[in-house]
Amino acid sequence: DQQVKQNSPSLSVQEGRISILNCDYTNSMFDYFLWYKKYPAEGPTFLISISSIKDKNEDGRFTVFLNKSAKHLSLHIVPSQPGDSAVYFCAVEGAQKLVFGQGTRLTINP
Amino acid sequence: SQTIHQWPATLVQPVGSPLSLECTVEGTSNPNLYWYRQAAGRGLQLLFYSVGIGQISSEVPQNLSASRPQDRQFILSSKKLLLSDSGFYLCAWSKGAEQYFGPGTRLTVT
Repeated sequence: DQQVKQNSPSLSVQEGRISILNCDYTNSMFDYFLWYKKYPAEGPTFLISISSIKDKNEDGRFTVFLNKSAKHLSLHIVPSQPGDSAVYFCAVEGAQKLVFGQGTRLTINP
Repeated sequence: SQTIHQWPATLVQPVGSPLSLECTVEGTSNPNLYWYRQAAGRGLQLLFYSVGIGQISSEVPQNLSASRPQDRQFILSSKKLLLSDSGFYLCAWSKGAEQYFGPGTRLTVT
């Protein structure tokens, strides 16, 4: 029973273009959503979050959008840079725990 | 500022041997602490979490155990490792919804 799903295991984007990573969740009771970035052999680093009272949160090149009715979360990166190549995990928070999606490997091509 | 340490960084152990992985956090008090495992090509699986000294919650039944002997110390153990215990083990801390991860330990059971 996967509560958080990232249906695209990989994504390839040209440098300078927009990267859009998607995430779906099943439980409408979740009220806080996060994105993490992970390089190989390193721990994930927190990128950006959004609470359920908002539908958009922006931090520099990163914007997270929340569509509560569709139970859908997305991360936009614009413009994409080579250093953005990594695995991106979405996560939902509940009861002091995070539930992570399976991750999407983003590759930025020069 | 807060920092989180994990050691060792890599470990190769034979099947049936014991395991002890340590995690310590600096710069904060009474954090929530977490152990995750990332198996090859998979997402992050929560193994244990702790909200205080001696308080451990297990998420997945397995041959691993966790202990929190001090406020900022979290230990993951096993009496007898299985091949299926191989993976990338991550410790994390939080004071709110965001969790912050350590550098991880790559465990290979042979």
